[in-house]
Amino acid sequence: KQEVTQIPAALSVPEGENLVLNCSFTDSAIYNLQWFRQDPGKGLTSLLLIQSSQREQTSGRLNASLDKSSGRSTLYIAASQPGDSATYLCAVQGGSEKLVFGKGMKLTVNP
Amino acid sequence: EPEVTQTPSHQVTQMGQEVILRCVPISNHLYFYWYRQILGQKVEFLVSFYNNEISEKSEIFDDQFSVERPDGSNFTLKIRSTKLEDSAMYFCASRSDPPNQPQHFGDGTRLSIL
Repeated sequence: KQEVTQIPAALSVPEGENLVLNCSFTDSAIYNLQWFRQDPGKGLTSLLLIQSSQREQTSGRLNASLDKSSGRSTLYIAASQPGDSATYLCAVQGGSEKLVFGKGMKLTVNP
Repeated sequence: EPEVTQTPSHQVTQMGQEVILRCVPISNHLYFYWYRQILGQKVEFLVSFYNNEISEKSEIFDDQFSVERPDGSNFTLKIRSTKLEDSAMYFCASRSDPPNQPQHFGDGTRLSIL
C-alpha cells in the first residue's frame, strides 16, 4: 500500500529564503507525482506534475524534482514571498486513477 | 482559466439524512473524482468515474455512497444516510485526456453532520 510522507509538517521562514519541501513515497512504481497548494478553506491548486519518466519540472519560481528509485520528490521555491504562505501537498498516482496524498507541509513566510 | 465548481460551499445536515454534493467539472474533461479530507487528516480518494460508470472506488466508498452524472455538466455525490464520521471537506476533481494530465480540484464542500 502506497504511503506518502511530508516532513516537516510546518515551516516558518523569513521572506526571501530559498526553500526545499520534501516528499517521500514507499512504492516507487508510480505513474506521476503532483504538487498542490492549499490555502485555508480553499481547494487544491495544482502547481506541478512530474511524469515518472521525468526528473524535474519548472514553473516560475517553483521547481520540482523526482527520484523515483529512491522514492523522493522535492519542491524548490526560490526567493520566497509572504504570498507563498499555504499548505503544500504532494500526491502520487500509481497504477490506477487515484491520487495518494501526503499530509502536507504548512509554510509560513514572514515579511 | 476554467475551474471546477462545487456547491454548496457548506452543508449542515442532521445525522441519518441524505445529502447531495454537486460539482461542475471543467467542460472538456472526461474523468471525474471525489476525494474527502477529514479535519487534520490527509486527503483521501473516494471514487473515480469515466464514461458514465465508476472506474475505481476505495473501501470508504460503501453502499451509502453513490455518484451520478445526471446531465452533460453536473457530477454529484450522494450520501444516503449520513453519519457523524462523514463530516469532512469533500473535493471534486476532473482531468482531461491523455492520462498524464493533472487532476484539477474544486474549492470543496464542507459537510457538517449534527
